[in-house]
Amino acid sequence: QSVLTQPPSVSAAPGQKVTISCSGNSSNIGNNYVSWYQQLPGTAPKLLIYDNNKRPSGIPDRFSGSKSGTSATLGITGLQTGDEADYYCGTWDSSLSAGVFGGGTKLTVL
Amino acid sequence: QVQLVQSGAEVKKPGASVKLSCKASGYTFSTYYMHWVRQAPGQGLEWMGIINPSGGSTSYAQKFQGRVTMTRDTSTSTVYMELSSLRSEDTAVYYCARPRSGSYYVDFDYWGQGTLVTVSS
Repeated sequence: QSVLTQPPSVSAAPGQKVTISCSGNSSNIGNNYVSWYQQLPGTAPKLLIYDNNKRPSGIPDRFSGSKSGTSATLGITGLQTGDEADYYCGTWDSSLSAGVFGGGTKLTVL
Repeated sequence: QVQLVQSGAEVKKPGASVKLSCKASGYTFSTYYMHWVRQAPGQGLEWMGIINPSGGSTSYAQKFQGRVTMTRDTSTSTVYMELSSLRSEDTAVYYCARPRSGSYYVDFDYWGQGTLVTVSS
């Protein structure tokens, strides 16, 4: 059971937009920055979003992040088949003094 | 360029210990904490702990307290993660990951390639 809650799967058609939610509490998302990762099969996760809504160099602006209270959201526009992957949210939990992740969301581009 | 190069795959019997390495290059080793994250087959990411390469201080997830030890060798810019009393549930890919912020934040911009540890009798 993950500390952060994500939907197991989402799907959308190519060119469309999808959002992935990540829910936590005041000890984690509510008071710490959230990051988002993309993981393609057989590879290490890749940082997509940090500090709730910032993109590392090289990440297209089709990817966006937001946070409100104890929830965060990853948005992906202009979906491509290459976006099919598992997506994880992560943050620090001040009560646990530990890093925490969501259980992951599998994105299918139909 | 920043690189994190991990040691090779391991096969261990239940009850044994495993020690993995993660050699860092391309940046000042002592200025960035290092985290360890694992992923069991078909499962999600699980945070294990963190080490400050500067002083060697560590913090571990409660789940692994008493079984995990993280150390570093500043002369070779290498961090180590040892997990003892292995059981089948420890079969996973283990990653070292460097936080972009340098500290305890879970904002990993660089990851090692992963080390598969298989625990089987």
